[in-house]
Amino acid sequence: DTAVSQTPKYLVTQMGNDKSIKCEQNLGHDTMYWYKQDSKKFLKIMFSYNNKELIINETVPNRFSPKSPDKAHLNLHINSLELGDSAVYFCASSLLDRNTEAFFGQGTRLTVV
Amino acid sequence: GQQLNQSPQSMFIQEGEDVSMNCTSSSIFNTWLWYKQDPGEGPVLLIALYKAGELTSNGRLTAQFGITRKDSFLNISASIPSDVGIYFCAGLRGNQFYFGTGTSLTVIP
Repeated sequence: DTAVSQTPKYLVTQMGNDKSIKCEQNLGHDTMYWYKQDSKKFLKIMFSYNNKELIINETVPNRFSPKSPDKAHLNLHINSLELGDSAVYFCASSLLDRNTEAFFGQGTRLTVV
Repeated sequence: GQQLNQSPQSMFIQEGEDVSMNCTSSSIFNTWLWYKQDPGEGPVLLIALYKAGELTSNGRLTAQFGITRKDSFLNISASIPSDVGIYFCAGLRGNQFYFGTGTSLTVIP
């Protein structure tokens, strides 16, 4: 039943490691996003894909690489993790339309030690 | 990316009180949204507004899309303890959602 699901919910890893976060939506949406929420709770857009094509790529280190195998999935791979990457990462999806809403996953809390 | 100005940053209120928060921007938006985030969870959509001047209610929540399309407010009437959380406004322009800085609400029983 879960509309936007992301895994894992928690991820603790050492500096320098490579990790991936997966996201899937079953809403039939054509657009998916990755957001980063810092300790001050600001929600900052990282990437957006529409029908598997990258449409938004904010200033994010190129250690972050999104991959969209199909329009229901948008995964986030992070290379050479750094302490500053610790945050909560949210996946979201929507329909590309003038009047639309974004639906969020439950978040992945990434802790780099 | 642009962030919307949301106020107040935090609120501490007694159970039963009404709450009002707002969001302003220097740019116009096509859609305004209000979300609530509980600890350890993702933001959940509360209300969506699609037309300038639109006033929409969802239970004890009421939100309005400002006539200039540059602002929106959210009211919560007769607050209850489960209203605790962080409330975010969001504006949609093109294919991007821009989020407010959040209002942290604490309800004291």
